[in-house]
Amino acid sequence: EDQVTQSPEALRLQEGESSSLNCSYTVSGLRGLFWYRQDPGKGPEFLFTLYSAGEEKEKERLKATLTKKESFLHITAPKPEDSATYLCAVQASSGGGADGLTFGKGTHLIIQP
Amino acid sequence: DGGITQSPKYLFRKEGQNVTLSCEQNLNHDAMYWYRQDPGQGLRLIYYSQIVNDFQKGDIAEGYSVSREKKESFPLTVTSAQKNPTAFYLCASSILGGLGNTIYFGEGSWLTVV
Repeated sequence: EDQVTQSPEALRLQEGESSSLNCSYTVSGLRGLFWYRQDPGKGPEFLFTLYSAGEEKEKERLKATLTKKESFLHITAPKPEDSATYLCAVQASSGGGADGLTFGKGTHLIIQP
Repeated sequence: DGGITQSPKYLFRKEGQNVTLSCEQNLNHDAMYWYRQDPGQGLRLIYYSQIVNDFQKGDIAEGYSVSREKKESFPLTVTSAQKNPTAFYLCASSILGGLGNTIYFGEGSWLTVV
C-alpha cells in the first residue's frame, strides 16, 4: 500500500527564517511526486512534479528535491504570503493511467511578520 | 479562462436527501476525479473517470455515485447512504499517458448536513 507521511504537521517561522518541509513516501514504483499549496477554503494549487531521485525544481522562494525515500520542500527567506498548507502526493507506476494520487496530511506553515 | 469550475461553493443537505455537486472543466483533459478532504486527513479518492461513459471506484466510493456523459463534466451525487457526508469536496482533472500526470484541482465545494 502506498503511503505518504509529511512532517512537521505544523511549522511557525519568522519572516525571512528559512526551513524545510519533509515528505517521506513508500510506493511500489514512483511515477511522480507532487507538491501542492492549499490556502484555507480553496483547492490545492500545483507547485512541482518530481520524477526521479536527484531531481530538483525551483519556483521563487521554493525548491523541491527528491531522493528514493523522501522529498523536501525548502523555503528560503519566506514571506507572510507563503503561509499555507503544503501537500505532498505520490503516483505509483503500478497504478492505472488515472487512478489518482496518494496524499499526505500536509504541513500547515505560518510565516509571522 | 481555462480551468475547473465547481458549484455550488456551499451546500446544505438534510438527512435523507441526495445532493449533486457539479464539476465542469474546459482544459480538454481526459481524466477527471473526485476527492474528499476532512480536517486533519489527507485527500481521499472517491471516483475517477478516464473516458466518457466509464468510471471507477476510488478508496471511499460507498454512498456516492457519478456519471460521465460528456468529456467536460463529471457530477458527483452524495446519496443518503453516505453516513458522514459533511466535508470539503474537490474535483480535479488531468491528461493521460506519459510520466506522472499532473492533477489540477477546482476550488472545492463545502457540503454540510443539517
